Amino acid sequence: SQTIHQWPATLVQPVGSPLSLECTVEGTSNPNLYWYRQAAGRGLQLLFYSVGIGQISSEVPQNLSASRPQDRQFILSSKKLLLSDSGFYLCAWSPRTIEAFFGQGTRLTVV
Amino acid sequence: AQTVTQSQPEMSVQEAETVTLSCTYDTSESDYYLFWYKQPPSRQMILVIRQEAYKQQNATENRFSVNFQKAAKSFSLKISDSQLGDAAMYFCAYLSGYALNFGKGTSLLVTP
Repeated sequence: SQTIHQWPATLVQPVGSPLSLECTVEGTSNPNLYWYRQAAGRGLQLLFYSVGIGQISSEVPQNLSASRPQDRQFILSSKKLLLSDSGFYLCAWSPRTIEAFFGQGTRLTVV
Repeated sequence: AQTVTQSQPEMSVQEAETVTLSCTYDTSESDYYLFWYKQPPSRQMILVIRQEAYKQQNATENRFSVNFQKAAKSFSLKISDSQLGDAAMYFCAYLSGYALNFGKGTSLLVTP
C-alpha cells in the first residue's frame, strides 16, 4: 500500500534562517506531488505542485521554493525565513485524477 | 487558478440532525473532480467523498451525500444523522488536470 512521510512534525526557526521540509511517498510511481500551507484558522493554499522529476509549478509567488530530485521525493525550501512563513505545511500526493493523500503535516513557527 | 468558495465559515448542528455545507466553484472546464475533505483537530486530512463531473448521479458514502449541480457549479455536502465525531473543518476541493485547489473551509460544530 501507498504511504506518505513528511518531516519534521514541528519546527521552530528564527527569522532569516533556511528551511528544508521533506516529503517522500512509498508504494507508487510517478505521482503528482503537492505542497500546501494552512495559516491559522484558514484554508489550504496551494504553494507548489509537481507532475514529474524536476517539474515544479508555483501557484503563489513567495519566499519559498520546491524541488523534486527523485520521483517520490518533494522538498520545500527557503533561503531566509520570514515571520509570515509560519503556518502548517502539508505535503500530498495523487495518483492522477483521483483524490489526494496527505502527510501528517509540519507546524512551522518562525520566531 | 480555479476558485473554490465556501460561504459558511461556521456551521452548527445538533447530534442526529442533518446539516448541509455549501460549496461553489468557478471553472471553464468540462472534465474535473470535486471532493470534500474533513480535517479534525489532529489536522490529518481525510477524504469524505468524491464526485466526477461527468457523472450525473450524486455520490453517496454512508451518512454523507452530495448535491452536485454542474450547471450552477455547486457542490454541497449533506451529513445525515450527525455524530459528535463529525465535528471538524470541512474543505471543498476542485481538481482539473494537475492543480488541486481548496476552499477556505467550514468549521462544523456538533452539539449533543
